[in-house]
Formats: sequence, C-alpha cells, structure tokens
Amino acid sequence: GEDVEQSLFLSVREGDSSVINCTYTDSSSTYLYWYKQEPGAGLQLLTYIFSNMDMKQDQRLTVLLNKKDKHLSLRIADTQTGDSAIYFCAESSGRNTPLVFGKGTRLSVIA
Amino acid sequence: EPEVTQTPSHQVTQMGQEVILRCVPISNHLYFYWYRQILGQKVEFLVSFYNNEISEKSEIFDDQFSVERPDGSNFTLKIRSTKLEDSAMYFCASSGIDGGNQPQHFGDGTRLSIL
Repeated sequence: GEDVEQSLFLSVREGDSSVINCTYTDSSSTYLYWYKQEPGAGLQLLTYIFSNMDMKQDQRLTVLLNKKDKHLSLRIADTQTGDSAIYFCAESSGRNTPLVFGKGTRLSVIA
Repeated sequence: EPEVTQTPSHQVTQMGQEVILRCVPISNHLYFYWYRQILGQKVEFLVSFYNNEISEKSEIFDDQFSVERPDGSNFTLKIRSTKLEDSAMYFCASSGIDGGNQPQHFGDGTRLSIL
C-alpha cells in the first residue's frame, strides 16, 4: 500500500531556515500536503501542492516537489520559536479522497 | 475562519462500553472524515462520508464502528463495544467540492482513553 516517510526530529536555531523532508511511494499521488500540529491541538493545514507543480511559495513557506524521486520538502525561512511543532506530510490520490500521513517530524527551534 | 469543532476533547470509557464522538464540520463542506492516531503512530484514515452514506472505509473501520449525520450540522462516530486498543486521538475532518482541490480541514481531536 501507499507509504509516506519522514525523519522524526529536526532541531534548528531561531532565525535559520528549516527543511523538513518527506518521501512517498504512491505514483498516483495527486496532491501533497503539509499539516502542523502544536501541542494539544489538531492538524492545521499549512499548504499543499498539486503534482503537476514543482514549487509553491507562501510567505515563509516553500514547498518543493520532485515527482521523479517522489520527494517533497517544506522549507521554513527565518524559523521562529512559534514554529516548534510536529509537521506532517500527507498525500492523496484525488480530490476528497483519504489522506495517507507520514509519522510527523518534530521541529524544535532553539532560541 | 470557519473551523471543525469536536466534542468532547477527552473521553474516558470503560472497556466494552459504547462511545459516541461528535463533530461539527465546516458548514458548507460536503465530505466528512474520521481519522485516528494511536500514541506514537501515524494518523490513519477510518472512514469518509458523502451524500449521507459511507464513500470509503479502511480495514480498521469494522462492524464495531459506525458513522451518522443525524442532522444538518453534526457528524458522529460511534464505537459499539470499546476495546483497549481503541484508545487513540480521533480526528474529524471536512472538505468541500467547489471545483479545484478542497483540502481537508481538521478539528482539534478527541482523546479517547479506554480503561
């Protein structure tokens, strides 16, 4: 079945850029997502990219998609302590279809 | 910004008891979902619901589980006879269908603890 893999931990200094990586196996993945989970909270949609795009930028967030390698990354510029959270990569094969999640990457930002 | 709301935030239940988890999806959304996350594991899809019926379900969603949209606003997940392994965080999500991709928006979850 489909699988999504992420590294579990990332630690960066405040003001540096963070890059969170994700790989997926499903070649029919159509949409790829990044969700953020702060302690005790739900899954907040950060951004998503359609599989025919290579890059999407939204303020401090840049998503890069390498469809050939099935690799997705999320870059957070000028990382702040408020960015400390768990970041989940997810994919779906179409509109309004179930999401397949990675295990999440815990980002720790050191002041 | 409209949001998905879930109640209760924490539910503690004895094994074998029935439990109902409640969700109010975003008002103009038409697709509804339940996911669960067992501690330390991935968020897993349980079921999706559209036009008053189940559109997809996973292997996890067995006969012990059911979903219902009892009125125009609520979406519920019922677990008939809870087991210890049902302890998890349960997330409700909803999405719309107004052209293009409509990403799923999640609630804050209900933490279900089975004793």
